[in-house]
Amino acid sequence: SQTIHQWPATLVQPVGSPLSLECTVEGTSNPNLYWYRQAAGRGLQLLFYSVGIGQISSEVPQNLSASRPQDRQFILSSKKLLLSDSGFYLCAWEADRPYGYTFGSGTRLTVV
Amino acid sequence: AQTVTQSQPEMSVQEAETVTLSCTYDTSESDYYLFWYKQPPSRQMILVIRQEAYKQQNATENRFSVNFQKAAKSFSLKISDSQLGDAAMYFCAYRRNTGGGNKLTFGTGTQLKVEL
Repeated sequence: SQTIHQWPATLVQPVGSPLSLECTVEGTSNPNLYWYRQAAGRGLQLLFYSVGIGQISSEVPQNLSASRPQDRQFILSSKKLLLSDSGFYLCAWEADRPYGYTFGSGTRLTVV
Repeated sequence: AQTVTQSQPEMSVQEAETVTLSCTYDTSESDYYLFWYKQPPSRQMILVIRQEAYKQQNATENRFSVNFQKAAKSFSLKISDSQLGDAAMYFCAYRRNTGGGNKLTFGTGTQLKVEL
């Protein structure tokens, strides 16, 4: 069966420090992968998605970047965190038809 | 651009009763999918139910069912026999059906409280 792993679960980072969040999927190949952010009390905002290795699409200009170095690995990064980067980050992958996202357990990022 | 609107920020229901959460969406597409996701306090996003736009029959999953009105662009979720474990934030989401890499567009959510 397919599983998705996301880590770390919680992260507290100072302003200006780098960031690396990792997401891996098991039990499938060539999945579509997504990074979402959820600010406190708000809905989900798509940050990046990838349909294949090295293929990254950005939805909004951010202080963030994404990479997909391997088929089932999706990384969210930042060189210098801002206070506004705080939030709950969710990785997701997309199954074949019928379409439906499966989400990871999320990372709660607090920038201090 | 597609938009999804959930006009009820909060809803309450008594245990064992039925509650309906509303969702409307705006799209010019004719082929798409709609979803309801549940986010409990753990914040794990859980797929509750999906509906394919070309299917007229409303989807059901145990105590969860939808009322899909394509012409009205309405997609409500009915929860029957509500349980304490149903308390969560519920998100309606839209995805167009044009192949891979298409994003889910989410509504702002409805916080459901279940009371004894």
